[in-house]
Amino acid sequence: DSGVTQTPKHLITATGQRVTLRCSPRSGDLSVYWYQQSLDQGLQFLIQYYNGEERAKGNILERFSAQQFPDLHSELNLSSLELGDSALYFCASSVAVDNSPLHFGNGTRLTVT
Amino acid sequence: GQQLNQSPQSMFIQEGEDVSMNCTSSSIFNTWLWYKQDPGEGPVLLIALYKAGELTSNGRLTAQFGITRKDSFLNISASIPSDVGIYFCAGQGRINTGTASKLTFGTGTRLQVTL
Repeated sequence: DSGVTQTPKHLITATGQRVTLRCSPRSGDLSVYWYQQSLDQGLQFLIQYYNGEERAKGNILERFSAQQFPDLHSELNLSSLELGDSALYFCASSVAVDNSPLHFGNGTRLTVT
Repeated sequence: GQQLNQSPQSMFIQEGEDVSMNCTSSSIFNTWLWYKQDPGEGPVLLIALYKAGELTSNGRLTAQFGITRKDSFLNISASIPSDVGIYFCAGQGRINTGTASKLTFGTGTRLQVTL
């Protein structure tokens, strides 16, 4: 158990809808990262927050947004969903901003029909 | 997009055999990490490498950080059935980019172990 908790585990929704994925980082970790993994693909970095502030942005679509709250949990919001958004979405956390290993949750599997 | 090339893409080996996989990059990284992902689960950290040339072991796993900071390999000795999964390399902290902590992942090596 990595200590990173993601909910829900599975999500099935229709095109055009909006969903929110939730992540609770390991106790003591200030950085939260979101990654997308499509079928049989590697992990693509979406966005990182550190202590409530956006720190780095990757290949995140404008339809997607995230935030980190004062209690350090994070939410990833996906809107106007398309079929191609179906993927595993992973949250990871780390202690510090730079060069500390990331620990991953077990992901949310999103299926858009 | 992806910058790390990982090979082989997949491999079938027999229980007891040694396994070797590697990862190369066009960019320099401060840190190299190796993760294993089982079906339906998130990646689990296996080994982290922080210094060029560093050789680190974790049980039957051994990994090295290339001297040029652009490559790394992972060896698994005496493989067992529970070694099955997808192994990912990841680079962290490209020098001189200012966004040090995010990971860039390799394309993965799918390992299957037969009895």
